[in-house]
Amino acid sequence: SQTIHQWPATLVQPVGSPLSLECTVEGTSNPNLYWYRQAAGRGLQLLFYSVGIGQISSEVPQNLSASRPQDRQFILSSKKLLLSDSGFYLCAWSPPRLGGRETQYFGPGTRLLVL
Amino acid sequence: GESVGLHLPTLSVQEGDNSIINCAYSNSASDYFIWYKQESGKGPQFIIDIRSNMDKRQGQRVTVLLNKTVKHLSLQIAATQPGDSAVYFCAESRPSGSARQLTFGSGTQLTVLP
Repeated sequence: SQTIHQWPATLVQPVGSPLSLECTVEGTSNPNLYWYRQAAGRGLQLLFYSVGIGQISSEVPQNLSASRPQDRQFILSSKKLLLSDSGFYLCAWSPPRLGGRETQYFGPGTRLLVL
Repeated sequence: GESVGLHLPTLSVQEGDNSIINCAYSNSASDYFIWYKQESGKGPQFIIDIRSNMDKRQGQRVTVLLNKTVKHLSLQIAATQPGDSAVYFCAESRPSGSARQLTFGSGTQLTVLP
């Protein structure tokens, strides 16, 4: 069966510091991978998605970037965090399919607080 | 504009009663729908899905109904239990160029009362 991991689970960072959140998937090959942000009490905002190694699509221009150095690894980064970057960050995967963004399965999330 | 929204942001039900969570969508090109459950501090969990060529699909204690005429989706939970308390999201999927686009609603908070 497939599993998805995220770490760290929680993170408190000062404004202006860098960020690196990691997501890995097990039990599948060439998955589609996604990063979402969820503000408190709100819905999910798609930030980035990737259909393969080195292929990143950005949905919302912002202070963040994403990379996919390996088939089942997805990293969310920032060079300088802003207060508005605080939130709950979710990684998700979906079965490999050209352009497919159908059923997505989510990781446990990382709660980021920027002070 | 395009939207996937929920009729009620919160829903409280007595333990043992049935729950119905509603979702409206506006894009007639959407052909696949998913319900997720998100417990506090956790990632969303897939519950059930339905394709637009169906109007009903049943799972374990859950049923999804799709009414394409009025662009309405609902999730029914039978014999609601305390563990069902969570935020429920609907999501719609539709073709977007050579890809597909998945759009999430804002969520409904379900509270199960003892």
